[in-house]
Amino acid sequence: NAGVTQTPKFRVLKTGQSMTLLCAQDMNHEYMYWYRQDPGMGLRLIHYSVGEGTTAKGEVPDGYNVSRLKKQNFLLGLESAAPSQTSVYFCASSYMAYEQYFGPGTRLTVT
Amino acid sequence: KQEVTQIPAALSVPEGENLVLNCSFTDSAIYNLQWFRQDPGKGLTSLLLIQSSQREQTSGRLNASLDKSSGRSTLYIAASQPGDSATYLCAVKTDSSYKLIFGSGTRLLVRP
Repeated sequence: NAGVTQTPKFRVLKTGQSMTLLCAQDMNHEYMYWYRQDPGMGLRLIHYSVGEGTTAKGEVPDGYNVSRLKKQNFLLGLESAAPSQTSVYFCASSYMAYEQYFGPGTRLTVT
Repeated sequence: KQEVTQIPAALSVPEGENLVLNCSFTDSAIYNLQWFRQDPGKGLTSLLLIQSSQREQTSGRLNASLDKSSGRSTLYIAASQPGDSATYLCAVKTDSSYKLIFGSGTRLLVRP
């Protein structure tokens, strides 16, 4: 059981470039989430999904898009990266609204 | 709007000491509260989950309590060890949302 995995672990982008972060879970969880963690700001929810084919906005959705084509995968896209998106991104999943399990994170730097 | 506060931001204790980490929240209408541990450069590891109907949860040397009426939770760590050094985060889930609202964490250092 790998739990929640994230790809890639590190990435450096130039302003305006695009990329996709991949989250995968093998716990058959319905709910999946994307958070960003910034110093002094704590973790903030970007987008979440309560099932395959459904997504919803969280606290800080601007500049990001998501897709949940398969139950086990949740993709986070940055169409035109900005320095303000430099952060550590965490994916999480849960069985319904219960305990959330987090992945190891992706450290993204936008120059 | 729900806000979660953790005080102190940092704590340093000698090995073997019992300690308490504090978490407070502004809206008592919570669904559950979760305590996490985060090691430097790593993800979050769930430690304890307390449902709104519960008063406490225990796991090994850890005990978490919840007092909804006063908007407070505490994480008690018994007989602390250097391996307990990490940042501890609490997060609450409100009734009307699936999201977790996180505190900024308490950075704990247990000195040998």
